Amino acid sequence: ILNVEQSPQSLHVQEGDSTNFTCSFPSSNFYALHWYRWETAKSPEALFVMTLNGDEKKKGRISATLNTKEGYSYLYIKGSQPEDSATYLCAFNDRGSTLGRLYFGRGTQLTVWP
Amino acid sequence: SAVISQKPSRDICQRGTSLTIQCQVDSQVTMMFWYRQQPGQSLTLIATANQGSEATYESGFVIDKFPISRPNLTFSTLTVSNMSPEDSSIYLCSVAQGGSSTEAFFGQGTRLTVV
Repeated sequence: ILNVEQSPQSLHVQEGDSTNFTCSFPSSNFYALHWYRWETAKSPEALFVMTLNGDEKKKGRISATLNTKEGYSYLYIKGSQPEDSATYLCAFNDRGSTLGRLYFGRGTQLTVWP
Repeated sequence: SAVISQKPSRDICQRGTSLTIQCQVDSQVTMMFWYRQQPGQSLTLIATANQGSEATYESGFVIDKFPISRPNLTFSTLTVSNMSPEDSSIYLCSVAQGGSSTEAFFGQGTRLTVV
C-alpha cells in the first residue's frame, strides 16, 4: 500500500483569499500525479494530471506544481470563490500498478465563505 | 472521456441485508475499478473488474463480501453483502482513459448508510 498524504485536512477561507494545499507521495516508481475536485453527490472532476518533475499546470485561478524527486505537489487557488468549496483529492499512479489504478490521499475539504 | 452513470446515489439499509450498486459507462472500457471511502478515510480500492474474468481483489477485501459482476465492456455491479454499520461508506466506480493515459473518470458515488 502506497501512502499519499494531504494537508491540511480542512480549510476555511474568506472569499478573495488565496490558498494552497500539499500532497506528498512516494518518490520512487513515480508515474503520474492527479488532482481532482469532488463536490458532494457529484463525480470527482479531474483538474490536473502531471507526469514530469517540475511540471506546472494552470486552469483559470487554479494551478499546481510537481516535484517528483522529493515527492510532493502543491495546488494553489488564487482569489477563492464560494463555488470553489469542495474536497480536493490528490492521487498517485506508480509504475508497478495497473494503469488507471490510483492511490488517494484523504483530501482537503475547502470551504470559502462569502 | 467517459461518462459513468452510477446507481443508486444513496441508500439506507438494514444490517444483514445486501445492496447492489450499478455502473454504466457510455463507452467500452477494459477495466473498471471499485473504490470505497469510509468516513474520514481516503478512497481505497476494493477490486479491479475485467470483462470476461474474475475481479482482482485488494488485500482486506474478499469476493464473498463484495461480489462483482462484469458482464460486458460497459457495465459492472458491486454488491455489498451481509452489511454491518462498518460498511457505511461512499462507494465509487471508476474507469481509466485507456491507452497510455492515466486519467480516470468516476461515477457520482453511492452513499451507503447501514443501520
